[in-house]
Amino acid sequence: DVKVTQSSRYLVKRTGEKVFLECVQDMDHENMFWYRQDPGLGLRLIYFSYDVKMKEKGDIPEGYSVSREKKERFSLILESASTNQTSMYLCASSSPTGPYRDTQYFGPGTRLTVL
Amino acid sequence: GDSVTQMEGPVTLSEEAFLTINCTYTATGYPSLFWYVQYPGEGLQLLLKATKADDKGSNKGFEATYRKETTSFHLEKGSVQVSDSAVYFCALSEWGAQKLVFGQGTRLTINP
Repeated sequence: DVKVTQSSRYLVKRTGEKVFLECVQDMDHENMFWYRQDPGLGLRLIYFSYDVKMKEKGDIPEGYSVSREKKERFSLILESASTNQTSMYLCASSSPTGPYRDTQYFGPGTRLTVL
Repeated sequence: GDSVTQMEGPVTLSEEAFLTINCTYTATGYPSLFWYVQYPGEGLQLLLKATKADDKGSNKGFEATYRKETTSFHLEKGSVQVSDSAVYFCALSEWGAQKLVFGQGTRLTINP
């Protein structure tokens, strides 16, 4: 089974803090994604990565950055957290080849609260 | 750009009722279509998918048929259970794009 893990289930931070959200997958997937989930808005793509050290902006990259130094790990960074970044953050991974190439596998999510 | 529209929630049904959650999409090419489910306190997991017109995806008693003529992928189940209570997301992926575009989600509650 594919396993995607996220470093924290719940996180509380103060405005202006630098925040790191970590995601690790164990299936050797090339693709990794960061989404935020807000009620009524579904999932919105923040950043994604097709390979180590590669990154692409998604639909809402402002206020975020990412790092992918190893294939299995994809980090989301909030350089200076703000209250409007309070949300559920979901990481996902997928493979670009094979019978499951379109299927994304999700971690359990990190609920971030910025005070 | 591509988009997915789901029926507004929340949806509340009694156990053993028939379920339909509507999903329509807009896409420039020939996308793959997905239904993901999120149980309370968990991440999303794939429920079913269809990759071309007239394909039917099915899993756990749920079904959805890829209708190109109506650009729809409605989710159905003949007899829901309390354990089906969750949030359901319709999504699409353009061929080769590898990104998913999600609908806004529909919260389903099944009462015993």
